[in-house]
Amino acid sequence: AQTVTQSQPEMSVQEAETVTLSCTYDTSESDYYLFWYKQPPSRQMILVIRQEAYKQQNATENRFSVNFQKAAKSFSLKISDSQLGDAAMYFCAYRSYSMEYGNKLVFGAGTILRVKS
Amino acid sequence: NAGVTQTPKFQVLKTGQSMTLQCAQDMNHEYMSWYRQDPGMGLRLIHYSVGAGITDQGEVPNGYNVSRSTTEDFPLRLLSAAPSQTSVYFCASSPRTGASQETQYFGPGTRLLVL
Repeated sequence: AQTVTQSQPEMSVQEAETVTLSCTYDTSESDYYLFWYKQPPSRQMILVIRQEAYKQQNATENRFSVNFQKAAKSFSLKISDSQLGDAAMYFCAYRSYSMEYGNKLVFGAGTILRVKS
Repeated sequence: NAGVTQTPKFQVLKTGQSMTLQCAQDMNHEYMSWYRQDPGMGLRLIHYSVGAGITDQGEVPNGYNVSRSTTEDFPLRLLSAAPSQTSVYFCASSPRTGASQETQYFGPGTRLLVL
């Protein structure tokens, strides 16, 4: 079974600074997807960024980028130029490439990000 | 499109009561799932469905039933509520094929309190 670990329960960052959230995972599969989801106080789950394991290039979405290290099974999220609206819970999630089990996601425990003005 | 909708938004139950959490999507997605979110544990999969008439258990299925009679609806039933089922419940859907087939679309969640 796959597992996802987020070792930082809480992180803080000053507005306009850069912060990195850590995520490690365990799997025996070679093909899979990794995601970062943002959950603001409204509780809505918002997809931030996704990475296909077969792609060596790290995904980027505006101020959000990832550092995907497949051999180390590490998938960190970097937020540049942090804004007050970035304050939220962030979840790292894993999905098998196979659709045999639907679209099951395995989540980490989450990291609360606080942004200071 | 309304996307994924869930009702109710909040519910209080007494131990032993039963209820159904409703989930509907209007995107014609084949895959639908139910997750529960508890503090310090992230989201955990309860049940999922790969199409109408097909359901299977996830990581934490005990105490919950599901059925999928239509593509649009995927209700979650609590047969006899217990305080351990106090949680926030999310329904999600995704297409089986296409450019966004690996992405799940989440509903707004249902907060359930069992006394």
